[in-house]
Formats: sequence, structure tokens, C-alpha cells
Amino acid sequence: EAEVAQSPRYKITEKSQAVAFWCDPISGHATLYWYRQILGQGPELLVQFQDESVVDDSQLPKDRFSAERLKGVDSTLKIQPAELGDSAMYLCASSYAGGELFFGEGSRLTVL
Amino acid sequence: GENVEQHPSTLSVQEGDSAVIKCTYSDSASNYFPWYKQELGKRPQLIIDIRSNVGEKKDQRIAVTLNKTAKHFSLHITETQPEDSAVYFCAAIRPGTALIFGKGTTLSVSS
Repeated sequence: EAEVAQSPRYKITEKSQAVAFWCDPISGHATLYWYRQILGQGPELLVQFQDESVVDDSQLPKDRFSAERLKGVDSTLKIQPAELGDSAMYLCASSYAGGELFFGEGSRLTVL
Repeated sequence: GENVEQHPSTLSVQEGDSAVIKCTYSDSASNYFPWYKQELGKRPQLIIDIRSNVGEKKDQRIAVTLNKTAKHFSLHITETQPEDSAVYFCAAIRPGTALIFGKGTTLSVSS
């Protein structure tokens, strides 16, 4: 069964360092989402892509976060510089034509 | 934009009892309402979903009801088992946008 691939699964970094997360959606899924989930809370949308275009990045802290999906397939989420409050699970999800979302296993970030 | 409220935040039941989790949404254009189960350290897993043209959907011990007029939907779990213990999230989406999640309900089933 096809799955959304994410890497790395775990990342520990010191504050002010740069971090990057990668996501490869299910083949054929045009819509890709990055969510952030702080422990004990629900996932919060950071950015939504339709193919290579950004549909919604209104909740993305653009002073430190950036996201791209250059060829409309895989995507990278970057944080620079990382802050203590960025410690969270970063979940990537994809969907076909706005249907069911399929989540990757997530990338857990710890900022020291 | 869409806003999803979820209650209760914690729910404790005895094995075999029923559990009900309720959510309200604000955007009348939302048309898809999934429920996710998340175990500690794992990704959310879809357990049941309902679209706005349906009032109720059932899958074995799990059911979801939707009241479009009142803009609320509920998850019903019957004959609860210890393995049902997890965090449950409701969500809502309008076409072309992203899923908006509730804050979650921690369900504890004691034997």
C-alpha cells in the first residue's frame, strides 16, 4: 500500500540552527499539506500546496519557515533559525482531489 | 475561516460502555468531516468519515452523525475496549482548503 514518506523521523537541534524536513506524497496526489502538532494539541496547518503552487500559507511563520514543492511532487519544509517553541511533530499529508488525507509518520523535532 | 470546537477534552469510561465525542464547526460550506484516532507518538489514523449529503454512517462499533443545520457532528463508540484508548480528533474541510482539526479528546477505557 502506498504511503506518504517523511524524513527524518527524529531531529534534535540547538536553537538558532537550521533544520529541514522532506516529504514524498503518494503518487498522483496533487494536494500536499504540512501540519505542525504540538504535544497535546491537534494538528495545525502550516502550508497547503496544489501541485507546485501554494494554496494557503497564512499560518506559516514566514520570518523563519519556508516550504517548497518545486516540481509538484516532493516537498521540503525548512526552519531557520529554529526556536525552542518549534519543538513539535511535523506531519506531511497528501490527498487526491481534496478527498481523504493520508498522513506520513511525521518528523519529531526537539530544539534544545 | 473554519473553526472546529471539540468536547470533551478528556473522557473516561468503563470497558463495555459507550463513548460520545462532539464537535461543532463554523463554516457552512464545509462538506467533509473525518475522525482520526492517534496513539502516542504515532500519526493520526482515519477511523470514519462522513460527507455533508449523509446524516449518519456506521462501521461496526463506530458511528458518526452529522447535523448540518446545527453544524455539529458526533462520534459514537459502542462496547468500548481498552484498545480504544487514544486521542481522537474531529476535523472539517470545505472544498479547496485544508482540514481544520479540533483540539482532541483523550479517551481512557478502563477494564
